[in-house]
Amino acid sequence: DAGITQSPRHKVTETGTPVTLRCHQTENHRYMYWYRQDPGHGLRLIHYSYGVKDTDKGEVSDGYSVSRSKTEDFLLTLESATSSQTSVYFCAISHNPPRYNEQFFGPGTRLTVL
Amino acid sequence: GENVGLHLPTLSVQEGDNSIINCAYSNSASDYFIWYKQESGKGPQFIIDIRSNMDKRQGQRVTVLLNKTVKHLSLQIAATQPGDSAVYFCAENTALSGSEKLVFGKGTKLTVNP
Repeated sequence: DAGITQSPRHKVTETGTPVTLRCHQTENHRYMYWYRQDPGHGLRLIHYSYGVKDTDKGEVSDGYSVSRSKTEDFLLTLESATSSQTSVYFCAISHNPPRYNEQFFGPGTRLTVL
Repeated sequence: GENVGLHLPTLSVQEGDNSIINCAYSNSASDYFIWYKQESGKGPQFIIDIRSNMDKRQGQRVTVLLNKTVKHLSLQIAATQPGDSAVYFCAENTALSGSEKLVFGKGTKLTVNP
């Protein structure tokens, strides 16, 4: 998985609780991304980062926030989890912007919100 | 909005046959395309990419064809093997909210029968 780890790998939580997912990379890549994957929707971009403390929204960012205080870590936070956020979350990294090369994906985190 | 779609959600082939997986895209300004393979329980894995200034690109047992006239992308897998069974996604680099991002199709599930 190109030096990308995600934690936790599985999590079950209750509606209304905060949840933080962590993505850690050892590749020193500048760009990091959070996607969610749901049946019938494929992969959808939640947020991405183009450097330390530089982040931007993707197409499904409502209800999510991110932080990147150092190159290797990108955190995704659900401030108050809802059942609609039950999904598989993937982190990805790339050395260059999307138009120049591929993104490498982590193993995913399966989140269930009851 | 514009997005990447797929012609077939499932494809079943016999081991040793060639497989062709299709993808339609709607953004004529997209200039970079990627194919990913995703096995059950894992993150997407890069297979091959192609830029809009090319019509064809070959890798090991895989070929990607790009037809910009009809905005169509295909992935050909030669001598398909059981290990090729997976979901295959195409992705295009496109502009969302003024920034360039990868947009993924919903995927085609390839099943290889022995």
